[in-house]
Amino acid sequence: QSVLTQPPSASGTPGQRVTISCSGSSSNIGSNYVYWYQQFPGTAPKLLIYRNNQRPSGVPDRFSGSKSGTSASLAISGLRSEDEADYYCAAWDDSLTGEVFGGGTKLTVL
Amino acid sequence: EMQLVESGGVVVQPGGSLRLSCAASGFALEDYTMHWVRQAPGRGLEWVSLISWDGGTTYYADSVKGRFTVSRDNSKNSLYLQMNTLRTEDTALYYCAKVTNPNYYYYGLDVWGLGTTVTVSS
Repeated sequence: QSVLTQPPSASGTPGQRVTISCSGSSSNIGSNYVYWYQQFPGTAPKLLIYRNNQRPSGVPDRFSGSKSGTSASLAISGLRSEDEADYYCAAWDDSLTGEVFGGGTKLTVL
Repeated sequence: EMQLVESGGVVVQPGGSLRLSCAASGFALEDYTMHWVRQAPGRGLEWVSLISWDGGTTYYADSVKGRFTVSRDNSKNSLYLQMNTLRTEDTALYYCAKVTNPNYYYYGLDVWGLGTTVTVSS
């Protein structure tokens, strides 16, 4: 069981907007920044969002992050087939003194 | 180009030991906290450990605490993970990764290696 809770799957059609949720607690999301990673099969994860809503250089502005209380969300607008991947949320956990990940959400573009 | 290359993954019997290495290039390893993250076959990401820029601070996931030891040799631009008393549940692809901001232990991980596979099996 992952410390952060994500839906195992999400889907959308090209052009749609999809959101992926991430639920935590006061010791992680509630008191620290949230990060999002994108991972394609057979490849290393890629940092997609840092500090809740900041995009690293090169990440399209179709990707956006938000946080409220002990939950966070990743939104992908203008969905494209190449967005089909696994998405993970992550945060530092003060109680565990370590990083915690969500279980991952597999995004399917129909 | 910033790059990380892991090595040392092999098949090992339960109870055995192994040392993973991570070689950095294209940036000054000595400036950054480094992390190990693993991914079991078909599973999600699991954080394993971190070591501060100078090696003075280390943290471990509960699942590996007391069995794994992270270290670094900045003069060799290298990071290590000593894994003892290995269990079948330690079977995974092990990644090393660099923190984005040198002033923090954790600020997102922006450079990842390709990983090295550890299989614990009799």
